[in-house]
Amino acid sequence: KQEVTQIPAALSVPEGENLVLNCSFTDSAIYNLQWFRQDPGKGLTSLLLIQSSQREQTSGRLNASLDKSSGRSTLYIAASQPGDSATYLCALKWDSGYALNFGKGTSLLVTP
Amino acid sequence: GAGVSQSPRYKVAKRGQDVALRCDPISGHVSLFWYQQALGQGPEFLTYFQNEAQLDKSGLPSDRFFAERPEGSVSTLKIQRTQQEDSAVYLCASSPLGQGFTDTQYFGPGTRLTVL
Repeated sequence: KQEVTQIPAALSVPEGENLVLNCSFTDSAIYNLQWFRQDPGKGLTSLLLIQSSQREQTSGRLNASLDKSSGRSTLYIAASQPGDSATYLCALKWDSGYALNFGKGTSLLVTP
Repeated sequence: GAGVSQSPRYKVAKRGQDVALRCDPISGHVSLFWYQQALGQGPEFLTYFQNEAQLDKSGLPSDRFFAERPEGSVSTLKIQRTQQEDSAVYLCASSPLGQGFTDTQYFGPGTRLTVL
């Protein structure tokens, strides 16, 4: 079974710290990988999309990497802010099938 | 511009009732997805439409779940004889292109269903 695992489940950091969220997956035959942000009571917002042929994507203070051979992706957040507090979800689209396959997410709290 | 909208935002149903959840995708989007998100979990795929064609319904948990998109725009997810385990947030997402293309999915705010 294709699985997506996110570690840690929850993380609390003081404002200004750099942090890394981890995502691992069991099948390297991926089509693309996305990182989403979910705020309470709201839908998901796409942060970064990495194609299977790419190694990383950057947007502002966010950088996502992809290593298919080891089955890992990381989301790096620089200079964290309280407004970054949310749940971050990793989602993979495999070569087979239509769906995005999500991890359970990492709940991030950035304290002032 | 308008994003994906879903209605109702909250629904409380008594066990055994039928419910209908509506999704209005972004205008012109070809692909439409439904996901189910239980508390503390990531979203899980239910079904996929390309225009009006339901190409994948492998994630629907039982035959009590039915989805349609008759004109290739608005979609309805219907749950018959609701049970407590159906309590979850139901998310709808759309994307501009059909399968075989790489694009992101745009998610609606979800409908929170509580079955008593």
